[in-house]
Amino acid sequence: GDSVTQMEGPVTLSEEAFLTINCTYTATGYPSLFWYVQYPGEGLQLLLKATKADDKGSNKGFEATYRKETTSFHLEKGSVQVSDSAVYFCALSLTSGTYKYIFGTGTRLKVLA
Amino acid sequence: DAGVTQSPTHLIKTRGQQVTLRCSPKSGHDTVSWYQQALGQGPQFIFQYYEEEERQRGNFPDRFSGHQFPNYSSELNVNALLLGDSALYLCASSLLDRGRFGGELFFGEGSRLTVL
Repeated sequence: GDSVTQMEGPVTLSEEAFLTINCTYTATGYPSLFWYVQYPGEGLQLLLKATKADDKGSNKGFEATYRKETTSFHLEKGSVQVSDSAVYFCALSLTSGTYKYIFGTGTRLKVLA
Repeated sequence: DAGVTQSPTHLIKTRGQQVTLRCSPKSGHDTVSWYQQALGQGPQFIFQYYEEEERQRGNFPDRFSGHQFPNYSSELNVNALLLGDSALYLCASSLLDRGRFGGELFFGEGSRLTVL
């Protein structure tokens, strides 16, 4: 079935370090891909998205490229800040036949000053 | 512009009881989806409502039911609560078909249900 697999956390980094959170997916058809972020005590917020192969989503210094050949959508940021500490969820939405989003289990990021 | 609002934010119930959770979608949105997020897990799709009808349902038992009102707000009802129903219940709103074709879901902060 359709699924999303994320690297397990927690990920602990020092401020200004480089971040990569791996995400791979399995899907029939051609999904749209998303990264959502959940700050403590809050709901999920869309961080970035890509709707077709080779698209790059970017927002707030974060980037992810839709790689169809490797079925991946890895999240990267060149220099993390303490305020980036949160849980990050990779998700997919199939473009036909279903209205649901499928989420990964989330990766907790902790950035130390 | 009000975002997605949910109530209550926290509640405690005992096994066998029933619970109703409420959601008001973001202004201008007509579609509401409900997700269950167990501790340490990603959100799991429960169902989606549009035009007061359930459009799709995830792998949840019939104890989970919902409703959408003419003003697009929605309720999630869970009957005969089990310990395993303890979770954060998230409501997400979107515009027609945008939730299907790569559009953005806007989430509320959730209702945290604890079943004792």
